[in-house]
Amino acid sequence: KAGVTQTPRYLIKTRGQQVTLSCSPISGHRSVSWYQQTPGQGLQFLFEYFSETQRNKGNFPGRFSGRQFSNSRSEMNVSTLELGDSALYLCASSLGLAGGETQYFGPGTRLLVL
Amino acid sequence: AQTVTQSQPEMSVQEAETVTLSCTYDTSESDYYLFWYKQPPSRQMILVIRQEAYKQQNATENRFSVNFQKAAKSFSLKISDSQLGDAAMYFCAYRSEGRDDKIIFGKGTRLHILP
Repeated sequence: KAGVTQTPRYLIKTRGQQVTLSCSPISGHRSVSWYQQTPGQGLQFLFEYFSETQRNKGNFPGRFSGRQFSNSRSEMNVSTLELGDSALYLCASSLGLAGGETQYFGPGTRLLVL
Repeated sequence: AQTVTQSQPEMSVQEAETVTLSCTYDTSESDYYLFWYKQPPSRQMILVIRQEAYKQQNATENRFSVNFQKAAKSFSLKISDSQLGDAAMYFCAYRSEGRDDKIIFGKGTRLHILP
């Protein structure tokens, strides 16, 4: 089975722009979660989607949004980019929402905001 | 609110030696899962080991084992016979058994393996 894929892998944007990141989960996985990873804050949960519905949301401003399509692929969008949004954005998929399920991570999208 | 604390930002261990990474967490839940994830340099994060809170027996996966102390809310990872490929960031994580509860990660411990 192919693993979790994320596109693009690298991105450079300027302040005020918006960006859309894409995540394709492992085939058969219906849950997709997004995380922001920075050296100072570590891994912070953004949101989780299951069957096209947002099931959980982290403590991020409304500039961060996401969605999931019927094929379980997910996108996240960040509008009005700020310098502090520079980070590695990780996507993870799992079969469902059960607490003990393993999350399978993608390679991440590294976003640099100038 | 649940929290996960990894008090060791960095650690080093000699190849073939044993090292223990610490993790403590805070929760009022009784049913939950604990995880250790490994993120090698420039590679994808992978699950190392998982522990169900209702199980008293400590989980083991080959050279990796945990010391789960539920009353103390402690979940340490022991790596035996350390290998160069074990060099990575290690994240401790918590997730409640209840559906719709997000996973919470610690800030990580960077492990260096000295040849």
